Amino acid sequence: DAKTTQPTSMDCAEGRAANLPCNHSTISGNEYVYWYRQIHSQGPQYIIHGLKNNETNEMASLIITEDRKSSTLILPHATLRDTAVYYCIVRVATGRRALTFGSGTRLQVQP
Amino acid sequence: DTGVSQNPRHKITKRGQNVTFRCDPISEHNRLYWYRQTLGQGPEFLTYFQNEAQLEKSRLLSDRFSAERPKGSFSTLEIQRTEQGDSAMYLCASSLMSGRASDTQYFGPGTRLTVL
Repeated sequence: DAKTTQPTSMDCAEGRAANLPCNHSTISGNEYVYWYRQIHSQGPQYIIHGLKNNETNEMASLIITEDRKSSTLILPHATLRDTAVYYCIVRVATGRRALTFGSGTRLQVQP
Repeated sequence: DTGVSQNPRHKITKRGQNVTFRCDPISEHNRLYWYRQTLGQGPEFLTYFQNEAQLEKSRLLSDRFSAERPKGSFSTLEIQRTEQGDSAMYLCASSLMSGRASDTQYFGPGTRLTVL
């Protein structure tokens, strides 16, 4: 699976959009981009995933650049409950099944 | 609540004792995964099952660790002769593999193990 690079930490004001970047410059054509988050002492929570096209669900939007070398997770209206570590993971559709978590981005939503 | 349950949620044991954890996946999910997470780190893959078959094991899974999924439903993870280095959060995830699409893993709340 391709390696990902994320900022160590970010701050966001409550009610504003949180934009979390991820670089995955070695991604290959059959690799998906997944985002999970982990609130302190809980299991990781699935947020969203995509292959080529931008994706949106009730939690977030995922914007993938045309060359697929980077992506951005957007939380449109951040709340205090969105404070968590956010993991960007690249995973091949077939073959090895494990998710490889990096260090993630610690997002702190400020009141 | 993702529908993946793990028991117990917390376990404190003395070094050298054996411990067993249980994971109940989302009912129709055919894949089940175990991960370990130490303080300040992201989860690390241990092993996974498709139905009752254990298909992959990480090098982290030493011979003191054994996992089973006897009927393709719930799974157990046993650690024999626990060591202080085994102290961690043990996470279970499940997914439904169908066709060629990538399967999404849903995690349980984890079992926190403390070895004294």
